[in-house]
Amino acid sequence: KAGVTQTPRYLIKTRGQQVTLSCSPISGHRSVSWYQQTPGQGLQFLFEYFSETQRNKGNFPGRFSGRQFSNSRSEMNVSTLELGDSALYLCASSPQGAGSLTEAFFGQGTRLTVV
Amino acid sequence: QKEVEQDPGPLSVPEGAIVSLNCTYSNSAFQYFMWYRQYSRKGPELLMYTYSSGNKEDGRFTAQVDKSSKYISLFIRDSQPSDSATYLCAMSGSRGYGQNFVFGPGTRLSVLP
Repeated sequence: KAGVTQTPRYLIKTRGQQVTLSCSPISGHRSVSWYQQTPGQGLQFLFEYFSETQRNKGNFPGRFSGRQFSNSRSEMNVSTLELGDSALYLCASSPQGAGSLTEAFFGQGTRLTVV
Repeated sequence: QKEVEQDPGPLSVPEGAIVSLNCTYSNSAFQYFMWYRQYSRKGPELLMYTYSSGNKEDGRFTAQVDKSSKYISLFIRDSQPSDSATYLCAMSGSRGYGQNFVFGPGTRLSVLP
């Protein structure tokens, strides 16, 4: 069974640009959550999608957005990139609704560097 | 003061040693506690999950929760070089949902052969 797939693995962008990251969950999983991981901050919850609907959102500015498609694949977008957006962005998929973390599997992440 | 504190390390131990990894927290409402292992260039994987106080054992790993002291620990017995990774603690007051968990920054562990 394939795991959670995130693409691309690495990205370098310039301040002010926008970026789109992709996450393909485990087959049959309908909940996808996104996290930002930075040194010293740990993981911080961005948002969670279930059945194409955003169910929960963390404390991030509106520049961070996402969506989920009918096949459960999800994308997140960051507009007007800032240096502080440099981080590892992780996607987690869960089989049930409401994004239970105890049942979630993480992808390998996308390393975004903003220069 | 951060809600969850964790010594970032790095922590280096010889193979076979007992490793103690710890997190302290300030929110007395936390009831769900998790430990993740994250290898370099990989996503976190869930190691242990405990509810409320007490101990939980799984092979070489033991998770311990002391709610009175707001302190949780992960012990690794007979540590192996393959245990070299970053260990993250996470905790929540509400059942299970990702948005409610607060993560520690992680402790980097190196087990030397």
